Amino acid sequence: KAGVTQTPRYLIKTRGQQVTLSCSPISGHRSVSWYQQTPGQGLQFLFEYFSETQRNKGNFPGRFSGRQFSNSRSEMNVSTLELGDSALYLCASSSTFDTQYFGPGTRLTVL
Amino acid sequence: ELKVEQNPLFLSMQEGKNYTIYCNYSTTSDRLYWYRQDPGKSLESLFVLLSNGAVKQEGRLMASLDTKARLSTLHITAAVHDLSATYFCAVDRDQGAQKLVFGQGTRLTINP
Repeated sequence: KAGVTQTPRYLIKTRGQQVTLSCSPISGHRSVSWYQQTPGQGLQFLFEYFSETQRNKGNFPGRFSGRQFSNSRSEMNVSTLELGDSALYLCASSSTFDTQYFGPGTRLTVL
Repeated sequence: ELKVEQNPLFLSMQEGKNYTIYCNYSTTSDRLYWYRQDPGKSLESLFVLLSNGAVKQEGRLMASLDTKARLSTLHITAAVHDLSATYFCAVDRDQGAQKLVFGQGTRLTINP
């Protein structure tokens, strides 16, 4: 089975811009979760989608949003980028109540 | 609020030695995960521990879970250089809700 894929792998943006990241889960997985990884805060949960519905949300401002499509692919959007949004954004997919498998990540740099 | 703490955060060891990484968590959970991350790479799933007393082994790595003590350990036996990486433990914040809370990670360096 193909693994979780994320596009793009690298992004450079400037403050105030917005960005959309994409995640394709493992075939058959309906749950997609997003995490932010930074050297200072470590790995933090952003949100989780299942069957096109956001089931869980972490402690992030409303600038961070996401959605899931009927084919389970997911996107996350960050509006009005800040320097502190520079991070590795990881997407993970899973079957219900199963191990989460992570994609390669999108490294976002905000200048 | 669920907190997950690992120790040590940094570990440098010689090939052939044994060592243990500890993972403590603050609230009840019956589902604990261990992941490995190589520099610049994503997270690779190592183990999922689903019940008290669970023990899993893969090669030189063995993980165990004590839910009463809220403690998991990752034991490395006869370390080899290829095991150098950062190891994370993670706990489901709400049983099976797919929202993991991660520890800080243990950066393991194994020297020849």
